[in-house]
Amino acid sequence: SQQGEEDPQALSIQEGENATMNCSYKTSINNLQWYRQNSGRGLVHLILIRSNEREKHSGRLRVTLDTSKKSSSLLITASRAADTASYFCATDRTGRRALTFGSGTRLQVQP
Amino acid sequence: DAGITQSPRHKVTETGTPVTLRCHQTENHRYMYWYRQDPGHGLRLIHYSYGVKDTDKGEVSDGYSVSRSKTEDFLLTLESATSSQTSVYFCAISERGDRGSSGANVLTFGAGSRLTVL
Repeated sequence: SQQGEEDPQALSIQEGENATMNCSYKTSINNLQWYRQNSGRGLVHLILIRSNEREKHSGRLRVTLDTSKKSSSLLITASRAADTASYFCATDRTGRRALTFGSGTRLQVQP
Repeated sequence: DAGITQSPRHKVTETGTPVTLRCHQTENHRYMYWYRQDPGHGLRLIHYSYGVKDTDKGEVSDGYSVSRSKTEDFLLTLESATSSQTSVYFCAISERGDRGSSGANVLTFGAGSRLTVL
């Protein structure tokens, strides 16, 4: 089973609206990361939040982490058509050398 | 995708033939990974390497082998390709544990290799 499960699987919004994606995981983590993938391309790292952090910002991105609920959310504010992509959460689990990825959320931003 | 290249980018092969995918990095990072991406499954780890000649299995390693004889190259081999190995394969590198790194395992991905097994 997936360590990280994103929700929703797909999201369609209008330009200027906010987009929120959620990620749930099952085991203890060192940090949680979000990656973006444009169609036909590799994944690109967006933001990392450590297990002792609750919220982090980077430009139009805001990430929250609730370790008691084992969940994270990624908020993209004032979305643009160029934000259209798939977004993946990845967990850096205690005692593991590799990240575990979820199945992703496909975001479509309509111009 | 600067600093990491995958080859070939596209390959079509027949069931039972051997296939080798290559990942080359110019960043001198210690960690290298092979993931496969399939619809509905996200990315799943096949194998990874934590140094020259040091490799370990991931969650979907059956049918795959890897080799790392130099820091810059990480090869993924399908000894006898099957249709279930049709996928997009991604290589990734991480500076985790390298001198000057933050210690966090942040990945840089290649552009992917699309493999079709007929």
